[in-house]
Amino acid sequence: GENVEQHPSTLSVQEGDSAVIKCTYSDSASNYFPWYKQELGKRPQLIIDIRSNVGEKKDQRIAVTLNKTAKHFSLHITETQPEDSAVYFCAASRGGNQFYFGTGTSLTVIP
Amino acid sequence: GAVVSQHPSRVICKSGTSVKIECRSLDFQATTMFWYRQFPKKSLMLMATSNEGSKATYEQGVEKDKFLINHASLTLSTLTVTSAHPEDSSFYICSGGNPTDTQYFGPGTRLTVL
Repeated sequence: GENVEQHPSTLSVQEGDSAVIKCTYSDSASNYFPWYKQELGKRPQLIIDIRSNVGEKKDQRIAVTLNKTAKHFSLHITETQPEDSAVYFCAASRGGNQFYFGTGTSLTVIP
Repeated sequence: GAVVSQHPSRVICKSGTSVKIECRSLDFQATTMFWYRQFPKKSLMLMATSNEGSKATYEQGVEKDKFLINHASLTLSTLTVTSAHPEDSSFYICSGGNPTDTQYFGPGTRLTVL
């Protein structure tokens, strides 16, 4: 089955700085890679996703890059704000909605 | 995005009792829904895939007789934790989505077994 690894497990940045979270996956058939943000006690919310036919996708301060050859993808958050503080999960899927999640990154943005 | 509801949001029960958690897709039909378990500050662990009209598919290590899943309609899947014990205390989250789309999560159910 798919194995998704995520680093770092915790990340602290100063407000305004950038944050980068990296994930690797093992199943070369995986073709869909979403990122979720989860605030304490709440449901994970999709923040951005990328499919395997694209190398990069950007949405305002958030971007995701994908390297299919190396089987890794990354989340980039620029100009971080305190409200970006949360746990972020990457996931990989080969279709059919079955997702395999990374172990999560707890991001703290220090005002 | 699609809307998934979950009920109850919080339940406290005595050891040995059974607890049923409902997961509903409100604005789409879900032939497949997923059940996850999440421990504090940990990732989402897929427990099982709920298939409408057929048996659920359980991940390795998940007891199917312990965690009963029923997907009786295209908008409802239920998870029943049978003979609950304190170690079953956790945050249970369901998800669903169209096959070509992403997953949308329910708000989760906090189960506490005394």
